Amino acid sequence: NAGVTQTPKFQVLKTGQSMTLQCAQDMNHEYMSWYRQDPGMGLRLIHYSVGAGITDQGEVPNGYNVSRSTTEDFPLRLLSAAPSQTSVYFCASGGRAPDTQYFGPGTRLTVL
Amino acid sequence: GDSVTQMEGPVTLSEEAFLTINCTYTATGYPSLFWYVQYPGEGLQLLLKATKADDKGSNKGFEATYRKETTSFHLEKGSVQVSDSAVYFCALSDHSKFYFGSGTKLNVKP
Repeated sequence: NAGVTQTPKFQVLKTGQSMTLQCAQDMNHEYMSWYRQDPGMGLRLIHYSVGAGITDQGEVPNGYNVSRSTTEDFPLRLLSAAPSQTSVYFCASGGRAPDTQYFGPGTRLTVL
Repeated sequence: GDSVTQMEGPVTLSEEAFLTINCTYTATGYPSLFWYVQYPGEGLQLLLKATKADDKGSNKGFEATYRKETTSFHLEKGSVQVSDSAVYFCALSDHSKFYFGSGTKLNVKP
């Protein structure tokens, strides 16, 4: 039981490049979500999903896309990276909210 | 909209001191409340939670009581240890969305 896994752990992009942050969970959780963590601002919700095929926007969705084709996977796509997207990104999963969320180890992204 | 406000850190204490980290919230409905802890280089871990007014969450010597009348969920521990050094986040959940406070860094000195 690996819990919530995220890849890569570190990534450096140039402005305008695209990439996908991967997130997978093996706990059969319905609910999955993406957050970004910035100094002094805590965690802010980017997108979330309450089940396969269902996604919705959080507080800061602009510049990010998500899809949920399976229960296990919830990738986050940056279509055209900007320096303002430099952050640490966390994926989380849990039972139907409000419920305990289990967090992955994070991806540290730097956009130059 | 919903939001969480928690005291700014860092908080520096000596081992065995009493800890309080204040957390207040704003919510339109009846949220569940959580405290998460983040150790260096790791993701967040659930510390405790409370799902309705007057509930007390507790774990590893930490406690917090859901106070609807003061919209608060303050974290307390009677005697901190060096191993409690971490960043603590207060959070609420209401209708599928989670909202986190900005985090309070706790440093415990031997």
